[in-house]
Amino acid sequence: QKEVEQNSGPLSVPEGAIASLNCTYSDRGSQSFFWYRQYSGKSPELIMSIYSNGDKEDGRFTAQLNKASQYVSLLIRDSQPSDSATYLCAVKRRNSGGSNYKLTFGKGTLLTVNP
Amino acid sequence: EAEVAQSPRYKITEKSQAVAFWCDPISGHATLYWYRQILGQGPELLVQFQDESVVDDSQLPKDRFSAERLKGVDSTLKIQPAELGDSAMYLCASSRFGGGEGTGELFFGEGSRLTVL
Repeated sequence: QKEVEQNSGPLSVPEGAIASLNCTYSDRGSQSFFWYRQYSGKSPELIMSIYSNGDKEDGRFTAQLNKASQYVSLLIRDSQPSDSATYLCAVKRRNSGGSNYKLTFGKGTLLTVNP
Repeated sequence: EAEVAQSPRYKITEKSQAVAFWCDPISGHATLYWYRQILGQGPELLVQFQDESVVDDSQLPKDRFSAERLKGVDSTLKIQPAELGDSAMYLCASSRFGGGEGTGELFFGEGSRLTVL
């Protein structure tokens, strides 16, 4: 089982719709969860972080975390063509030695918002 | 706004040649990461530094890759000899140290795109 799994997509939604991106993780000891956006040819940029169960909202973005189900999601409301990008889920947990933390990324989901 | 600096942005080399990438993290960020990202994949951690010490290099192909962060500030990633399969984007990122909230937030440089012919 991969540490962080995402559907690679592509996910295509019309402009103005809600885009729903999903991520599952294997390590129950994972502590922090992040969503990064990566435009084609660019480096990832952090858009959301979530640390406890429930929802966290920031503008048009809502991150949802369910630790019991080991599931993280990102909702984008009123999707815009400028939201077209790859969305990477990342999970932070202690490394095998327990002395440090590591951040593991999923493969990413390509989102296309059609005008 | 503080940024992670990387160079070169692009590098084309022939297989068996040596390649080096440089990274200067955000001032005050003790943790520095080198990731490799193959087209269509997520970033894969190659090496993680805490100050000048390596804390994770389990995925670094040590027969050809090396990384250092001598004074705990900037860092160099080297590949020698380069192979065709090394063609990828090499991303440097930095973060504050620790396990508390906010410390897992990585700030990435623009990346160094390597093409091996």
